[in-house]
Amino acid sequence: DGGITQSPKYLFRKEGQNVTLSCEQNLNHDAMYWYRQDPGQGLRLIYYSQIVNDFQKGDIAEGYSVSREKKESFPLTVTSAQKNPTAFYLCASSITLVGGELFFGEGSRLTVL
Amino acid sequence: AQTVTQSQPEMSVQEAETVTLSCTYDTSESDYYLFWYKQPPSRQMILVIRQEAYKQQNATENRFSVNFQKAAKSFSLKISDSQLGDAAMYFCAYRFPRKGNKLVFGAGTILRVKS
Repeated sequence: DGGITQSPKYLFRKEGQNVTLSCEQNLNHDAMYWYRQDPGQGLRLIYYSQIVNDFQKGDIAEGYSVSREKKESFPLTVTSAQKNPTAFYLCASSITLVGGELFFGEGSRLTVL
Repeated sequence: AQTVTQSQPEMSVQEAETVTLSCTYDTSESDYYLFWYKQPPSRQMILVIRQEAYKQQNATENRFSVNFQKAAKSFSLKISDSQLGDAAMYFCAYRFPRKGNKLVFGAGTILRVKS
């Protein structure tokens, strides 16, 4: 079945460590997105990419990095520079046609110990 | 700056009754898209309904409909004949027509359905 796969579903990390969240899609979508969700808040955009080898910062990019070497993959690295990394992370993809809906993965829960 | 505001942190509705969730947004664009997404306890984001700003007709999907007031920048969601499965967090979202078609979300409204 076509969809978006995020892994791992749950991740624990010690302070000062980098961690990479995986996002893979087989929907043949050009655009991919990373969002962060905190309790009581909506989703905030971290990074997005409209095409392979190109990506743009979203509203809260500080302390995060991404790559887009393949159309299907858009991994997110949470670096030690991110002051408050404990959150729920959602990956999404869409066609680039204006108005296309975003399809979401099931999310990854990151907890910093 | 483009922002999306959901002024109701939490709403309750009796099963089989109707409820309306509010959303306002701020934009200087004339052509854009608006969405309502549902996030049940599983946390999977599900598209409920979509509205194109250039269309005057309000979008409808079965029991879900919107009241789109472009001049007022208002985009409310009406759920008719509420069911227990409608209980979830609902997010209103605005999609930029440019800037990578990124989606900006409101803070969400928790909907509780009473049996």
